[in-house]
Amino acid sequence: GNSVTQMEGPVTLSEEAFLTINCTYTATGYPSLFWYVQYPGEGLQLLLKATKADDKGSNKGFEATYRKETTSFHLEKGSVQVSDSAVYFCALSNAGGTSYGKLTFGQGTILTVHP
Amino acid sequence: EAEVAQSPRYKITEKSQAVAFWCDPISGHATLYWYRQILGQGPELLVQFQDESVVDDSQLPKDRFSAERLKGVDSTLKIQPAELGDSAMYLCASTFGGAGANVLTFGAGSRLTVL
Repeated sequence: GNSVTQMEGPVTLSEEAFLTINCTYTATGYPSLFWYVQYPGEGLQLLLKATKADDKGSNKGFEATYRKETTSFHLEKGSVQVSDSAVYFCALSNAGGTSYGKLTFGQGTILTVHP
Repeated sequence: EAEVAQSPRYKITEKSQAVAFWCDPISGHATLYWYRQILGQGPELLVQFQDESVVDDSQLPKDRFSAERLKGVDSTLKIQPAELGDSAMYLCASTFGGAGANVLTFGAGSRLTVL
């Protein structure tokens, strides 16, 4: 079955530091990959996505590249801000079949950025 | 910007009581999902609807949980009787549906505490 594994957290950084959150996956076929972000007290928001190998998703300074050879989709940002403090979830979705769109999530990584 | 509406935002109930959550997806979204997010974990799918039909409820504890979407628009998730282990955030999400349409929009969630 499908599964997503994220790096152990939480992650604590100073403002303007470089961020990497690792994500690896196991899936059949050719899944789409996503990063969602959850701010305190809110639902999940799509941060970025990639739908095929070597695609790079990007948004708000965050980037992630779909690496099929290493089954990875690591999230990076060159300079984090205090406002980036949130929980980040890596997820995958298999296209096709009756359960299209069904997301399988990792366990989440808590990011705290200090001034 | 269109939103997925959920209510109540917070619910505290005692063990063995009944509880219900309501979700109104974005207008025109045919596919609706209920996810359960236990504290410190990623969301897990409980049930997926395509219009008014259930397409995946394999992870729904059917002895105590039920979900319906009678007119293919809004949806209700019910728990009866509630157990201590049901304490979690219940997230509703929706999407247009169909192959490739796998970007989900999430609501803010309903946080359940069972005492």
